[in-house]
Parts: sequence; structure tokens; C-alpha cells
Amino acid sequence: DAKTTQPTSMDCAEGRAANLPCNHSTISGNEYVYWYRQIHSQGPQYIIHGLKNNETNEMASLIITEDRKSSTLILPHATLRDTAVYYCIVRVAFYTGTASKLTFGTGTRLQVTL
Amino acid sequence: GAGVSQSPSNKVTEKGKDVELRCDPISGHTALYWYRQRLGQGLEFLIYFQGNSAPDKSGLPSDRFSAERTGESVSTLTIQRTQQEDSAVYLCASSQGGGGLGYEQYFGPGTRLTVT
Repeated sequence: DAKTTQPTSMDCAEGRAANLPCNHSTISGNEYVYWYRQIHSQGPQYIIHGLKNNETNEMASLIITEDRKSSTLILPHATLRDTAVYYCIVRVAFYTGTASKLTFGTGTRLQVTL
Repeated sequence: GAGVSQSPSNKVTEKGKDVELRCDPISGHTALYWYRQRLGQGLEFLIYFQGNSAPDKSGLPSDRFSAERTGESVSTLTIQRTQQEDSAVYLCASSQGGGGLGYEQYFGPGTRLTVT
């Protein structure tokens, strides 16, 4: 999987939008961008994924630049429960065997405050 | 619906003892993964099952670690002769398939293993 770069930590006020950036400058054409988060003492939770178009679901929006070298995860109205470590992962679209695992980096620790 | 479950939630064992960790995946999920997370660190991949076979065991740190899966369901991770460096949270995940778009992995709550 291609390597990703994320800021170590970010703060966000409750009710405001949290914008978490991720750089993946070596991404290949058949690789998707996945986002997971890990709330303290819990297992990681899938958030969203995308190829090149912007994606939105009930949890978040994913904005991918036209050159696909970076992306931003947007939590539109952050709450205290969104405090977690957010992982950006690049992963091939179709895979078997060794490519099926997720490779987690160090992620961004998002702290949502009152 | 029911998610991935793991047992026990916490396990304290003495150095040198064997431990077994259990994972019950989401019903119908053919792919199952084990990861390890040491305190303050990211997740490390251990092993991947597709059905009852393990096409990728590349993350198992030593021959003291083994895993099996039966009935395309429950999986057990066994650590023999535990060492203090084995202390970590062991996480299990399952997905509908091993490959393909949209087969995101769903994680269990983990088993916290402490070797004294």
C-alpha cells in the first residue's frame, strides 16, 4: 500500500467542522483512500472510502483532489464523541492474499473540545 | 445486528504460559484478520483468513504464535510460552470478502493481554 502522511494531532471546537488532511502523493490509479477511526479503548471503526470522486455518508465527507495526491476527511459538526485517532489508508481496489490487510500508520489524534 | 466479538476482554497471564484468544466474526463474513496493538502504537497485522485457509501469515512475529479458523466462523489465536513483549491489545476484524471494493473490515473490541 502507498504511504500516507497525516498531522500528528488537531483540535476542533464542538459543533464546528473538523477537516483532517492526508497526503498520499504516491497513490496508484487502482488504489482507494480509506478512513478509519479508533476511539480510546475500542477497535477501529470504518468511516468512508473513495477513489476519485467526493463521497459522503452519514458519518463524514471525503474530498479527494483532482490529482489524487491528497484528501480531506470532513466531520461537518464535530461532537465530543468524535474525539479519536483518525487513520488514512491507501489500499488497492481488488486484492487477494497479502494485499487484503490494512496497513495503519500513526494517524491524526483529533481532540474535540467544548 | 451483532458485530465482531472477542473473548476474553482482558487476560492476565504469567510469563511462559500459553494463552488462547477467541474471535467470533460477523455471520457470513468469509474474511477474518488478526491485528496487534501495543500501548501507544499503531496496529500491526498478524494473519488473514479467507474461509478456513490463511493465505497471509506474514505478520506472525514468531513460531510461538499460531491461529486457526473452523467452520468459516470462529478463530482462535494461540500464543505459546508468552513473553512480556507479547503484552498488547489483540484485535480481530472480519469482512464480507478478502478482496473487492466495499469490503471494509469491521473490528471487534479487542482482548487486552498482559504478561507478568
